[in-house]
Amino acid sequence: AQSVTQPDIHITVSEGASLELRCNYSYGATPYLFWYVQSPGQGLQLLLKYFSGDTLVQGIKGFEAEFKRSQSSFNLRKPSVHWSDAAEYFCAVGVYSGGGADGLTFGKGTHLIIQP
Amino acid sequence: DVKVTQSSRYLVKRTGEKVFLECVQDMDHENMFWYRQDPGLGLRLIYFSYDVKMKEKGDIPEGYSVSREKKERFSLILESASTNQTSMYLCASSSRTESSYNSPLHFGNGTRLTVT
Repeated sequence: AQSVTQPDIHITVSEGASLELRCNYSYGATPYLFWYVQSPGQGLQLLLKYFSGDTLVQGIKGFEAEFKRSQSSFNLRKPSVHWSDAAEYFCAVGVYSGGGADGLTFGKGTHLIIQP
Repeated sequence: DVKVTQSSRYLVKRTGEKVFLECVQDMDHENMFWYRQDPGLGLRLIYFSYDVKMKEKGDIPEGYSVSREKKERFSLILESASTNQTSMYLCASSSRTESSYNSPLHFGNGTRLTVT
């Protein structure tokens, strides 16, 4: 079965600084990878996704992520964070089983705190 | 834009009550999902459905059941609520007409259930 690890439970970054959130997955084949963001009191919003092709994918709100097969990683980055980026971030992996929709497997999340 | 609506934002129920959580999506999506979200545990899949009257168990189905009588509506049922079911419940939907069965999930804003 697939799994997702987000090693950092909390990360604190100063406003304007760069950000990298780590995500490692475990799966035997090429997975489908996603990053979601959850603002307080809200549902999850898709930031970006990777299925195939270019390993650097661009998402909304200035985020990007890079798929590295050799490291089984899909880290999320942003060159300059804004206070509004404070939220919970989830990495997720999906697999195609051929039998229908199996949903996604989520990491436990990384809580991002922005310092003024 | 896809809209996934969960009928209640907050619910307080007593132990032993039968509880219904309702979810409606307006984008004609085939797939619908129920997750629960707990601090430190991330999102865990309870049940999903890829068609009307079809349902599949997720990772933590015990104590729950679901109903999908219409394509747009997916209900989560707690037959006899218990205090360990106090949680945030998130409904999601996705399309099967995209290139992959693992198309992005679109989430509702969640229902925070407290069982006393």
